[in-house]
Amino acid sequence: QITLKESGPTLVKPTQTLTLTCTFSGFSLSTSGVAVGWIRQPPGKALEWLALIYWDDDKRYRPSLKSRLTITKATSKNQVVLTMTNMDPVDTATYYCAHHLHYYDNSASWDYWGQGTLVTVSS
Amino acid sequence: QSVLTQPPSASGTPGQRVTISCSGSSSNIGSNTVNWYQQLPGTAPKLLIYRNNQRPSGVPDRFSGSKSGTSASLAISGLQSEDEADYYCAAWDDSLNGWVFGGGTKLTVL
Repeated sequence: QITLKESGPTLVKPTQTLTLTCTFSGFSLSTSGVAVGWIRQPPGKALEWLALIYWDDDKRYRPSLKSRLTITKATSKNQVVLTMTNMDPVDTATYYCAHHLHYYDNSASWDYWGQGTLVTVSS
Repeated sequence: QSVLTQPPSASGTPGQRVTISCSGSSSNIGSNTVNWYQQLPGTAPKLLIYRNNQRPSGVPDRFSGSKSGTSASLAISGLQSEDEADYYCAAWDDSLNGWVFGGGTKLTVL
């Protein structure tokens, strides 16, 4: 059974750095084809993909936020960490981590999601 | 503004069939598969359809997906009150080298 759970601060001040941790179980990030990523959703708005880290440590970032994002993994701890620098009120959102699965034909999907954590950016 | 375009709202009465469209481009839907997600109020998104038309275990066969060219559709037949939710399409974008989502469609069961 795959589960993921996000943890981190619920409130950050503008210009601060946000650090979120995704702790997962039911799979290993050392298994070929597996990845974990982050997706956020501002209140009342659409989903927005942020970052993705693969089992082989390959990483992908949303181009418009690439300079502010860093994704890392701690395989032995079953954790993935996302840092986002220079936070702004527009970054207020629910942040989800999710399991990313590649299929045999190289397609993929986000098949399991955490419950999400609401991060508010305000002074 | 989302890369994939969905109608902001859709509605139907119980038992009806409704479809939700998702329009993209050659760099996303045109060259990659489409996934659909259902987000019930106050909950995390749930994978509903993957690889254009495949249902994960546990998803009723009332839900179906299709893709043609740079567009995709989600169809829900035998509409039920519990289907009232937000629905999102998603695809990998080769130009952006990342995932793109639609703006979401709020489905109301009248």
